[in-house]
Amino acid sequence: DAKTTQPTSMDCAEGRAANLPCNHSTISGNEYVYWYRQIHSQGPQYIIHGLKNNETNEMASLIITEDRKSSTLILPHATLRDTAVYYCIVRANFGNEKLTFGTGTRLTIIP
Amino acid sequence: GAVVSQHPSWVICKSGTSVKIECRSLDFQATTMFWYRQFPKQSLMLMATSNEGSKATYEQGVEKDKFLINHASLTLSTLTVTSAHPEDSSFYICTLGGDRGYTFGSGTRLTVV
Repeated sequence: DAKTTQPTSMDCAEGRAANLPCNHSTISGNEYVYWYRQIHSQGPQYIIHGLKNNETNEMASLIITEDRKSSTLILPHATLRDTAVYYCIVRANFGNEKLTFGTGTRLTIIP
Repeated sequence: GAVVSQHPSWVICKSGTSVKIECRSLDFQATTMFWYRQFPKQSLMLMATSNEGSKATYEQGVEKDKFLINHASLTLSTLTVTSAHPEDSSFYICTLGGDRGYTFGSGTRLTVV
């Protein structure tokens, strides 16, 4: 079973920041938070991951709460191409542990 | 990150026939690959873990004799849907691990008529 909870859907205006929340209250100390997104009829795309510190890359920022029980993915300037299903996943970052997908958040960017 | 090539992108087959889907790692030696299935408007469900040189590990409820997985080399894993039926119509996706999280193939849409 997925260890994360996300809202089913969200809308965001084009050009604004999209903030996608994720709850992972049972996360273990050695588990990372990963974010992927899936555009219709394509394979999931890696976005970002983190353990406890906030992370930023060319695609997004990841804010993890101090207690690590929740996190927020931030797309700073959403475009229409960011419309996708976003998955928040927790997994230990060693070996070849499988990824367990939850239902994700369907983000729609509105022109 | 690793580059994964999945082929074919889509396939239509008649009921009762078998279909093979290939997943190639182009720049990474993958000892382990994972196969997922996704039905319309649903999330990805793990089917099996493919291990190079050994038998695959199947998730509960997935028929190993129907979904044959072969991982004969570090760069190729195949999934064969045997005696396909319309209920096997789905989006099949492979993935392999890497230093920046898992890299997914582009997926194969299987339609059984």
